[in-house]
Amino acid sequence: EAGVAQSPRYKIIEKRQSVAFWCNPISGHATLYWYQQILGQGPKLLIQFQNNGVVDDSQLPKDRFSAERLKGVDSTLKIQPAKLEDSAVYLCASSLKGTGTTKQYFGPGTRLTVT
Amino acid sequence: GQQVMQIPQYQHVQEGEDFTTYCNSSTTLSNIQWYKQRPGGHPVFLIQLVKSGEVKKQKRLTFQFGEAKKNSSLHITATQTTDVGTYFCAGPKAGGTSYGKLTFGQGTILTVHP
Repeated sequence: EAGVAQSPRYKIIEKRQSVAFWCNPISGHATLYWYQQILGQGPKLLIQFQNNGVVDDSQLPKDRFSAERLKGVDSTLKIQPAKLEDSAVYLCASSLKGTGTTKQYFGPGTRLTVT
Repeated sequence: GQQVMQIPQYQHVQEGEDFTTYCNSSTTLSNIQWYKQRPGGHPVFLIQLVKSGEVKKQKRLTFQFGEAKKNSSLHITATQTTDVGTYFCAGPKAGGTSYGKLTFGQGTILTVHP
């Protein structure tokens, strides 16, 4: 089966610019996650969607980050304006369910560098 | 909030030596999952443990879940160069309405010298 797709794979922007990332989950997966992984750390959940509804965005910096999952399939994550500390890999993952008992499948990630 | 800690942060071994990483949660977990991330890659699911005291094996890898469901370990017997990578544990907090939100540990980076 096709895996989780993400684009772009790499992005370099200057601080205060905006950027958007795209994710296409595995077909049929109801739950979609966006994680931020800073170098040397584990992934940190930013937002979790169940179909097209948000079930957890407690760690999303809502003053600059936004995400949507239209029609319950693809998702986009936006940062506006970017800060230097946003430099990280942004991972998208999906799972059949969002109960925590199902494994998550991760995409290749987008490496963001903010200069 | 929930915290998941892993030790050691780094482990360098000679090929053929054993390796163990430990995971401790500040809260009781409903289950524990382990992921492996190769250098430059993305996390890949290895296994999930659900029951208190559960032990599972995958070839040279042995996973344990503590009796109190707050700690776990991963042991690799006779490491190979293909075992290189970062090993993460992750778990959802037991109870509540966390919708299965996973909190990841910071990972243990394993390097294997041939």
